Amino acid sequence: GAGVSQSPSNKVTEKGKDVELRCDPISGHTALYWYRQRLGQGLEFLIYFQGNSAPDKSGLPSDRFSAERTGESVSTLTIQRTQQEDSAVYLCASSRWASGNEQFFGPGTRLTVL
Amino acid sequence: SQQGEEDPQALSIQEGENATMNCSYKTSINNLQWYRQNSGRGLVHLILIRSNEREKHSGRLRVTLDTSKKSSSLLITASRAADTASYFCASLRFGNEKLTFGTGTRLTIIP
Repeated sequence: GAGVSQSPSNKVTEKGKDVELRCDPISGHTALYWYRQRLGQGLEFLIYFQGNSAPDKSGLPSDRFSAERTGESVSTLTIQRTQQEDSAVYLCASSRWASGNEQFFGPGTRLTVL
Repeated sequence: SQQGEEDPQALSIQEGENATMNCSYKTSINNLQWYRQNSGRGLVHLILIRSNEREKHSGRLRVTLDTSKKSSSLLITASRAADTASYFCASLRFGNEKLTFGTGTRLTIIP
């Protein structure tokens, strides 16, 4: 089957605008993760969804960041009033279930805030 | 600070040589995973080693885990140009559902 897909692949926006990033996980994967990766750095955890449980939002850097997931399918990450420091690659991953299984990553969305 | 730290940060070797990367972590873990990333995009899972395992092999990859030292190593044997990438370790703590990624090692294989 298809892997994790993300859209758009690239997004350039002006400071202060809102952006919405989309992730389609692998079908049947109950766990979904969002990460941020700044240039030349490691992955920074943002948020985690597992089935119908309340999401773990502990990694969201500010209240400008939010994410939703519809059941066990598509997720959207929204960044409001974007700032230049939001520029990064945003990666989504899914896994069959949590508890340590390998994660399958999408290709990421490269966000540039001018 | 991030839980996982890899060293070296960058490594360049000749094709055919072996490459060794190390990872340290701070807390007790359930498992540790290694991922590869090409061109700053999506990561690809390479291998997972559980806390009760000491060594694991997958093709040209060999991973070791020393829980007493809170460290792991990834060995790539007979390196190829296609192995050029960044390699990340990621640890999963007990009772926690999210991986903590290290800062990565950038590996360059010189043809």
